Amino acid sequence: EVLLVESGGGLAQPGGSLRLSCAASGFTFSSYEMNWVRQAPGKGLEWISYISSRDSSIFYADSVKGRFTISRDNAKNSLFLQMNSLRAEDTAVYFCARYFVLRGVYYYMDVWGNGTTVTVSS
Amino acid sequence: DIQMTQSPSSLSASVGDRVTITCRASQSISSYLNWYQQKPGKAPKLLIYAASSLQSGVPSRFSGSGSGTDFTLTITSLQPEDFATYYCQQSYSTPRFTFGPGTKVDIK
Repeated sequence: EVLLVESGGGLAQPGGSLRLSCAASGFTFSSYEMNWVRQAPGKGLEWISYISSRDSSIFYADSVKGRFTISRDNAKNSLFLQMNSLRAEDTAVYFCARYFVLRGVYYYMDVWGNGTTVTVSS
Repeated sequence: DIQMTQSPSSLSASVGDRVTITCRASQSISSYLNWYQQKPGKAPKLLIYAASSLQSGVPSRFSGSGSGTDFTLTITSLQPEDFATYYCQQSYSTPRFTFGPGTKVDIK
């Protein structure tokens, strides 16, 4: 079974840090690009970061650029999101999602984890 | 940046109804449009990719159409398990995906 399981969420103070992890199983993790997507309470989905399969290419949404760092360890089938300088508006459920490329033309997120909740509050 | 809008933001429907949700992009995105379903407390689930291709395992009552800037998700004969929020997503500017604000489908 193809599975993604996030962990590492919790309560952080404004200005603090958290490191999220996403454990992959059931597929060849090193062959896939990956994303982080978040959802603030009662709000919609927001893409925040992407990493290529060999981490040679990385992108961030403007809302997190300079504060968050995406990384991966293909030997451990794991994806990470280091979150620094946290703000109240970073409060959200954070999902990792597999990036699928169809025929080199179409792109979508076909496998999602169940999410981990981050709360930023004093 | 490409902006996505959806209409309506919410709708009430009955089991068996035909439901149509519209998604519009701020610029042409060809067929680089995906649809996701999300139920409360759950992860999003891919329904449609490339505007009109049904993801494996998704019931055939779901269909997508459109290209350029205007897209539609249609659910024929709404089922109880279809009450959820639906999001469109553009992948034209991949990997900088943009989601629409969502359309909540609830029970009339």
